[in-house]
Amino acid sequence: QSALTQPASVSGSPGQSITISCTGTSSDIGSYNIVSWYQQHPDKAPRLMIYEGSKRPSGVSNRFSGSKSGNTASLTISGLQAEDEADYYCCSYAGSRSFVVFGGGTKVTVL
Amino acid sequence: EVQLVESGGGVVQPGGSLRLSCAASGFTFDDFAMHWVRQAPGKGLEWVSVISGDGGITDYADSLRGRFTISRDNRKNSLYLQMNSLRIEDTALYYCVKDLQQLVQYYFDLWGQGALVTVSS
Repeated sequence: QSALTQPASVSGSPGQSITISCTGTSSDIGSYNIVSWYQQHPDKAPRLMIYEGSKRPSGVSNRFSGSKSGNTASLTISGLQAEDEADYYCCSYAGSRSFVVFGGGTKVTVL
Repeated sequence: EVQLVESGGGVVQPGGSLRLSCAASGFTFDDFAMHWVRQAPGKGLEWVSVISGDGGITDYADSLRGRFTISRDNRKNSLYLQMNSLRIEDTALYYCVKDLQQLVQYYFDLWGQGALVTVSS
């Protein structure tokens, strides 16, 4: 069982917007703004999409956005495209005992 | 080219040891903290360990502390993971990962292709 809770799957049609939630606790997401999101295509290494809760690294499309409220972080993909079909993982710092926790991953399907 | 290339994976019996290596290129290696992150077959991501840019600070996932040791050789632009007393549940693809910033921030912005470790009798 993962420390952060994500829905197992989310789907949407091309052009639509989808949001993936990531629920933690007051010991991780709720206490630190050290939240990141990763995209992983099959048999590929993960790719950093969002860091510090809402910042995008260079090269990441502005269709990807992140936010945080309380113990929950969210990733929104707008203008859904076929290439966005992948697994998405959230990640949070969790203090000096647990350090880093990941969500179980969400499979995004483009219908 | 900015890249990380892991090596040293393989099949090992329970209780055995293995040492993974990661060769970094294309960036100033000692300016950045480095991590190991693993992924069991068909499963999610699990953070393993971190080492600061100068190698002076190391940390581990609670469940692995005492069995795994992270180290680096900045002269060789290389990162290592010594894994002892391996268990079947350590079977995974082990990724070498660069931190986004100079300070340890736990943002993983560059990943290797992974080294597969299989623990089996």
